[in-house]
Amino acid sequence: EVQLEQSGAEVKKTGESLKISCKASGFSFSTYRIAWVRQMPGKGLEWVGVIRPGDSATAYSPSFQGQVTILGDKSSSTAYLQWSSLRASDTAIYYCARHDGAETPFDYWGQGTLVTVSS
Amino acid sequence: SYVLTQPPSVSVAPGQTARIPCGGDKIGHKNVNWYQQRPGQAPVLVVYDDSDRPSGIPERFSGSNSGNTATLTITRVEGGDEADYYCQVWDSSYNHYVFGSGTKVTVL
Repeated sequence: EVQLEQSGAEVKKTGESLKISCKASGFSFSTYRIAWVRQMPGKGLEWVGVIRPGDSATAYSPSFQGQVTILGDKSSSTAYLQWSSLRASDTAIYYCARHDGAETPFDYWGQGTLVTVSS
Repeated sequence: SYVLTQPPSVSVAPGQTARIPCGGDKIGHKNVNWYQQRPGQAPVLVVYDDSDRPSGIPERFSGSNSGNTATLTITRVEGGDEADYYCQVWDSSYNHYVFGSGTKVTVL
């Protein structure tokens, strides 16, 4: 069974760093791509970026380039979304999702990780 | 970058048909995916590549795409279909995914 299990909710202060995770199971982690999607409170879905775990290649939405880093660990089948300095505007639910290749749909999603950033 | 336009809300009576449009420049030339997001839950893929359904998605869900509008159609609407629905495309000009703003479907 394909599963994407995300880490638990986080409460952080502005300026702090954070790394959230998405552990994959039930499929070959290296042969798929893992995307990250942001959903701010009461708002819609926004594509953050993607990692291809096979070679760790990444791509980012222009809106998120330089603001976050996407990482992958093939040994543990886990993808990560990382911030070096959080802002209040990073408060959102972050979903990871699997897709098969470039331009393909997101067929499985994690349950989401709520990140709350306050001053 | 590429913009997808969806109406904020659509209301439909049980048993009737809901049609959710997604507008974009020459969207008929792109592959459109649709996601359902029930309150408090993660999104679920309901239609991909304009009109294909993943396994487990009822035949009541269908999609079409032509010209400047893609449409998700839900026939014989049920209370459990009440959710937000998002369209999605790949923007090849900027090499990134774009989501529509979402449509809230209310079952009267």
